[in-house]
Amino acid sequence: QQQVKQSPQSLIVQKGGISIINCAYENTAFDYFPWYQQFPGKGPALLIAIRPDVSEKKEGRFTISFNKSAKQFSLHIMDSQPGDSATYFCAASSETGNQFYFGTGTSLTVIP
Amino acid sequence: KAGVTQTPRYLIKTRGQQVTLSCSPISGHRSVSWYQQTPGQGLQFLFEYFSETQRNKGNFPGRFSGRQFSNSRSEMNVSTLELGDSALYLCASSFDRGGGTEAFFGQGTRLTVV
Repeated sequence: QQQVKQSPQSLIVQKGGISIINCAYENTAFDYFPWYQQFPGKGPALLIAIRPDVSEKKEGRFTISFNKSAKQFSLHIMDSQPGDSATYFCAASSETGNQFYFGTGTSLTVIP
Repeated sequence: KAGVTQTPRYLIKTRGQQVTLSCSPISGHRSVSWYQQTPGQGLQFLFEYFSETQRNKGNFPGRFSGRQFSNSRSEMNVSTLELGDSALYLCASSFDRGGGTEAFFGQGTRLTVV
């Protein structure tokens, strides 16, 4: 059973556009939601993370929106650049847990 | 501050052999987790070590094992390799135990079983 569901599987965006990736979870015990960016041949790099006590967190061009009642969270990449082309993973974990549950990943391509 | 170091970066092994992968966490980090990444299954949790003790184990057969040393460095071992074990094995380092803390990944070890 997939603990975290991620969509879309792939995304193509024009340079300067907004990229939006969505994730949903079921386990209400989850209280930490990071996003990772992975380039080919590299390990996932922590991009931004949020806890459920806030509805939005912004770092530069990257914003997480969090909807606790809907058990959904999303990553928005503003002014998308070709260098943002990578695979993005959402994840979830709980304070008392010992593992992250990852979404299946979104392959983002930003066209110049 | 040095990141998470995994060695070797690439490995080719024959079915039936065993393999040992190494992970050096970020200095000061005490928790090390291992994940298997494949195109079909995505990122799947293998196990987590904290203060030399395995705290949690994912749904993998007993052929997958690991350990952590007093300096927090960790190794994972896969015995009797199968073709399906071909994957990118990732190590994640955290300051403390618990899934609610930031985790930083290494570059991974690409294991190919032939």
